[in-house]
Amino acid sequence: DAGVTQSPTHLIKTRGQHVTLRCSPISGHKSVSWYQQVLGQGPQFIFQYYEKEERGRGNFPDRFSARQFPNYSSELNVNALLLGDSALYLCASSMTGASGDIQYFGAGTRLSVL
Amino acid sequence: AQKITQTQPGMFVQEKEAVTLDCTYDTSDQSYGLFWYKQPSSGEMIFLIYQGSYDEQNATEGRYSLNFQKARKSANLVISASQLGDSAMYFCAMREGRTGANSKLTFGKGITLSVRP
Repeated sequence: DAGVTQSPTHLIKTRGQHVTLRCSPISGHKSVSWYQQVLGQGPQFIFQYYEKEERGRGNFPDRFSARQFPNYSSELNVNALLLGDSALYLCASSMTGASGDIQYFGAGTRLSVL
Repeated sequence: AQKITQTQPGMFVQEKEAVTLDCTYDTSDQSYGLFWYKQPSSGEMIFLIYQGSYDEQNATEGRYSLNFQKARKSANLVISASQLGDSAMYFCAMREGRTGANSKLTFGKGITLSVRP
């Protein structure tokens, strides 16, 4: 079975632009979470979605938004890009999003903002 | 205060030997989970092992075991019989809260492990 897939793998944008990152969860998984990993740090939680509803939000500005579709795939949108948004964006999926679930990660999207 | 602390500098281990990667955590919740992930240079976070706060036995998954000491709030990862492919960054993470709450993971800063032939 396919794991978590993310697209694109790499992306280069300029300041002020908008970006959309996509994630397809493991088949049967209904929860998707997004994390930002800046170079040299551990991932930071951005959002969690379950059954198309936002279940959790991290300490990120309103420029960051996300949604989940009926097929459980998800998009992360970032508006008005800043240089500091350059990072690896990781998507993780889990069966139900409940506390005992294991989150499985994709390979990430590397975003560079110039 | 940091919720997950990984303070070891880069770790080195000889192939086929065992290595322990340290992790301490801070939480006031009674129910929580502890995870270890491996991140090779490709970037993907690979799940290794999970320990629930109410689990009485230390978790084991193949060559990986978790040395869970609840009173000391430590959850060290032990890798036995190291292989060259074990060279990577290793992250300890915690999920706090009750069942049904969101499953946000809080990660440490990671530890670099290098396996020498």
